[in-house]
Amino acid sequence: KNQVEQSPQSLIILEGKNCTLQCNYTVSPFSNLRWYKQDTGRGPVSLTIMTFSENTKSNGRYTATLDADTKQSSLHITASQLSDSASYICVVSAASGGSYIPTFGRGTSLIVHP
Amino acid sequence: DGGITQSPKYLFRKEGQNVTLSCEQNLNHDAMYWYRQDPGQGLRLIYYSQIVNDFQKGDIAEGYSVSREKKESFPLTVTSAQKNPTAFYLCASNRRGGGDTGELFFGEGSRLTVL
Repeated sequence: KNQVEQSPQSLIILEGKNCTLQCNYTVSPFSNLRWYKQDTGRGPVSLTIMTFSENTKSNGRYTATLDADTKQSSLHITASQLSDSASYICVVSAASGGSYIPTFGRGTSLIVHP
Repeated sequence: DGGITQSPKYLFRKEGQNVTLSCEQNLNHDAMYWYRQDPGQGLRLIYYSQIVNDFQKGDIAEGYSVSREKKESFPLTVTSAQKNPTAFYLCASNRRGGGDTGELFFGEGSRLTVL
């Protein structure tokens, strides 16, 4: 069964500090991994996508890494801002007959305090 | 602007009543999905549709029904048979057949509370 595990479940940091969120997966056949940001009471929005051949990808202050051998990904947030307070969801997609079947992690809830 | 519109944002229902959540998209996407989100849990798939007039059950379809009469619209009905309907419901869409590597575009969600 395909699974995506995220850690920590929740995280509290001070504004301006860095943090790293983790995602471990067992999804086969692996196609791609996305990190979504979900603000409270809103729909998720894609931050980054990584395919098998990519090791790192940045989107502003967000940097995602992927180790396909160990099936781990991380999302690093630099110089956190209050607006980074949200849930971050790791989604790993399996390729199936030309389509993509996503498996969702439970998310990491990040709170940034002033 | 292209996007997905869900309505209503908040909905209250008495036990025993059916309720329909609306989802409309103008992204010209073929595939549409309904997910349920509960605190501390990942998104769970209720129903999905890859083309008009066709849809399939997801992991937790019991107590729900859908229709796909138009490409742009994919309403979800939460019936009285759903034993625990209080949740946050998310509609999503993407291009069928792998376009955009399967990126899902989500609506803003509908929060249903059963009184």
